[in-house]
Amino acid sequence: EPEVTQTPSHQVTQMGQEVILRCVPISNHLYFYWYRQILGQKVEFLVSFYNNEISEKSEIFDDQFSVERPDGSNFTLKIRSTKLEDSAMYFCASRGGGAWEQYFGPGTRLTVT
Amino acid sequence: KNEVEQSPQNLTAQEGEFITINCSYSVGISALHWLQQHPGGGIVSLFMLSSGKKKHGRLIATINIQEKHSSLHITASHPRDSAVYICAVRSNTDKLIFGTGTRLQVFP
Repeated sequence: EPEVTQTPSHQVTQMGQEVILRCVPISNHLYFYWYRQILGQKVEFLVSFYNNEISEKSEIFDDQFSVERPDGSNFTLKIRSTKLEDSAMYFCASRGGGAWEQYFGPGTRLTVT
Repeated sequence: KNEVEQSPQNLTAQEGEFITINCSYSVGISALHWLQQHPGGGIVSLFMLSSGKKKHGRLIATINIQEKHSSLHITASHPRDSAVYICAVRSNTDKLIFGTGTRLQVFP
């Protein structure tokens, strides 16, 4: 069964460094999302992406964040200058054009020290 | 106030018991998801509902659109059902809005 994959599974970085989290959505999907979950808190929406454009972004998704679909298969989330409070599990999700169900990747645990 | 509220926050049960987890929401939605999150952190979609009832094995999900309420039931619970169960609603702008989750522990 097709699945969303994410790499790396765990990333440790120092405050102020740039990180890129990678996702490979299900191949025929058209809509892509990033969510995050700070330890002990609920999952929060970051951004949605369709047709090579951001469809919606949350207040969390400030100028330090960007998304890209560089090659038609990968979907990346970049954090330009990480802060301690960016430490969280980051989930990518995707869905097809004819259905509302979103499929989640296994997550990337980002630890900022 | 949270847009998606779940109850209870924590639930313990003996193997074989019938489990109910509730979700209420205050925003307009087009669909509601029930998700399962295991200790490793990964999220698995159990159901997506926009009306009525769905059943998959020992799991049953119902939704009442007028009352803005959904329930997830687990029949004949088993220790392997132990996980966090999350209700998430699909807003009218497509993003998912998540509840805080219900931590279920089923003991043998």
